[in-house]
Amino acid sequence: AQSVTQPDIHITVSEGASLELRCNYSYGATPYLFWYVQSPGQGLQLLLKYFSGDTLVQGIKGFEAEFKRSQSSFNLRKPSVHWSDAAEYFCAVNAGGTSYGKLTFGQGTILTVHP
Amino acid sequence: DTAVSQTPKYLVTQMGNDKSIKCEQNLGHDTMYWYKQDSKKFLKIMFSYNNKELIINETVPNRFSPKSPDKAHLNLHINSLELGDSAVYFCASSQVPQDIQYFGAGTRLSVL
Repeated sequence: AQSVTQPDIHITVSEGASLELRCNYSYGATPYLFWYVQSPGQGLQLLLKYFSGDTLVQGIKGFEAEFKRSQSSFNLRKPSVHWSDAAEYFCAVNAGGTSYGKLTFGQGTILTVHP
Repeated sequence: DTAVSQTPKYLVTQMGNDKSIKCEQNLGHDTMYWYKQDSKKFLKIMFSYNNKELIINETVPNRFSPKSPDKAHLNLHINSLELGDSAVYFCASSQVPQDIQYFGAGTRLSVL
């Protein structure tokens, strides 16, 4: 069965610092990969996705992610964090095919931004 | 115009009651989903419908019954509510199952 691991439960960075949130997945083929963000009391907003092609994908709010097949990873990055980026971030995998759209989520990473 | 809307946003009820959560999407998508987010923020799929047909039914108690009257709506009815049902329930939709899923704002259910 597919699984997604976000090793960091909580990350704290200073405003203006760079950010990398880690995501590893376990699946035999290349799945469809997503990063979502959830602000307190809100739903999930898509930051970016990877289906195929260029392994470096750009998303909204200045985020990017890099798919590395050899490491089964899809890490999220941002060069300079803003206070408004404080939220919880979820990596998700859709295995495609007979998974019929089932998204498997990681445990989430809470991002705190210090001024 | 909200793309995926859920009602109610909050639901507080007693154990043993029956309640429903409604979901509507105006994106013209064919596939809709229900996810449960527990107190540790872990998200897990419950059901998926494609063109009003059930295609995913994870190991969810049969007290939970989804109903899709048309492609734009997927409601969730819960019978005999238990304390463990307290969670945030998210509805989502996508054009096809492999595509981006758009989420509603969630319904926070508290069972007392």
